Amino acid sequence: QQQVKQSPQSLIVQKGGISIINCAYENTAFDYFPWYQQFPGKGPALLIAIRPDVSEKKEGRFTISFNKSAKQFSLHIMDSQPGDSATYFCAASPSTGGGADGLTFGKGTHLIIQP
Amino acid sequence: GAGVSQSPRYKVAKRGQDVALRCDPISGHVSLFWYQQALGQGPEFLTYFQNEAQLDKSGLPSDRFFAERPEGSVSTLKIQRTQQEDSAVYLCASSLEGGGNTEAFFGQGTRLTVV
Repeated sequence: QQQVKQSPQSLIVQKGGISIINCAYENTAFDYFPWYQQFPGKGPALLIAIRPDVSEKKEGRFTISFNKSAKQFSLHIMDSQPGDSATYFCAASPSTGGGADGLTFGKGTHLIIQP
Repeated sequence: GAGVSQSPRYKVAKRGQDVALRCDPISGHVSLFWYQQALGQGPEFLTYFQNEAQLDKSGLPSDRFFAERPEGSVSTLKIQRTQQEDSAVYLCASSLEGGGNTEAFFGQGTRLTVV
């Protein structure tokens, strides 16, 4: 059972455009939603993360929008640049209370920004 | 070191061989996670340590997989009698605090190829 569904699988955006990647989750216990960026041959790197007490978080050109009732969250990359070309993963994790919960990742979106 | 370090970067093993993958987390980080990333997929959780205690090993695919972190710092993931389906990138991540819902820093991974 895939607990975090990510779309689209691949995305091509013109330089300067807005890239939008969507994720939906099933587990209502999830309360931490990070986005990771991964370049070929590298490990994932945290871009931005949100918790359910806010509906939007912005850091530079990156914005997360969160809809708790719909159990959906999305990443918006404004003014997309060729250097943003990478694979993006959404992820989710529940509260641990001292427990042991790793991140559940989506399957990834391969983003290409065309110059 | 400044980041999470994994070694070796690449490992080719003959089917049936045992392998050991090493992870040096960021100094002082309490939590350590292992993930398996198949080609074109998102990382999948394998196991979690809080200091030296292995609190969750629910993601380990079989009893051929074993992980340890004896002194609460360096961790080793061991795979016995490797099979072709074990071919993947093995990622290690660490975070400063306990639990899975805090910022995790990933290493570059070890690419294991079983032939």
